[in-house]
Amino acid sequence: AQSVSQHNHHVILSEAASLELGCNYSYGGTVNLFWYVQYPGQHLQLLLKYFSGDPLVKGIKGFEAEFIKSKFSFNLRKPSVQWSDTAEYFCAVKVHNTDKLIFGTGTRLQVFP
Amino acid sequence: NAGVTQTPKFQVLKTGQSMTLQCAQDMNHNSMYWYRQDPGMGLRLIYYSASEGTTDKGEVPNGYNVSRLNRREFSLRLESAAPSQTSVYFCASSDTSSGNTEAFFGQGTRLTVV
Repeated sequence: AQSVSQHNHHVILSEAASLELGCNYSYGGTVNLFWYVQYPGQHLQLLLKYFSGDPLVKGIKGFEAEFIKSKFSFNLRKPSVQWSDTAEYFCAVKVHNTDKLIFGTGTRLQVFP
Repeated sequence: NAGVTQTPKFQVLKTGQSMTLQCAQDMNHNSMYWYRQDPGMGLRLIYYSASEGTTDKGEVPNGYNVSRLNRREFSLRLESAAPSQTSVYFCASSDTSSGNTEAFFGQGTRLTVV
């Protein structure tokens, strides 16, 4: 069965620190990849997505992610985090030509001023 | 434009009671999903529907049933609620028929089973 792994469960950073959150998936075929963010008390919102083309994708709020096919990875990065980035971050995978959308367990990010 | 609307927002049930969570989207999306969110476990897919009249099991379907009433509505039913079904439930929709688009989420239903 397809699965999505997020290795960092809880990350604590100071403002201006750099961020990288890991995401690996287990499906070997063509996939669509997503990162979603959930701010406290809110629903999920899309940060960025990868379907094809340039493996380095840029999203909102200065986030970016790199798809490395050989490593089955889609890691999320931000050069300098802000207090307002405090949230939970979810990686998700949709297997191409299916409608099944599977999420990872999430990474809780806390940013301190 | 309301997007994805879920009702109710909060619900408390006694063990053994039944209830239906409602979800409607106004974006004409073909695919709809039900997830549950539990601490440390992320979002787990319960059921999904690729089009009207079709539904498929996700990762954790036991104890739930779904109905894709029409293109707009996708309901989730708990026939006999159990404390293990205490969770936050999210409905989502996506226009997968057009290719590559993301899922849009509702605000969630916080369900407590006592």
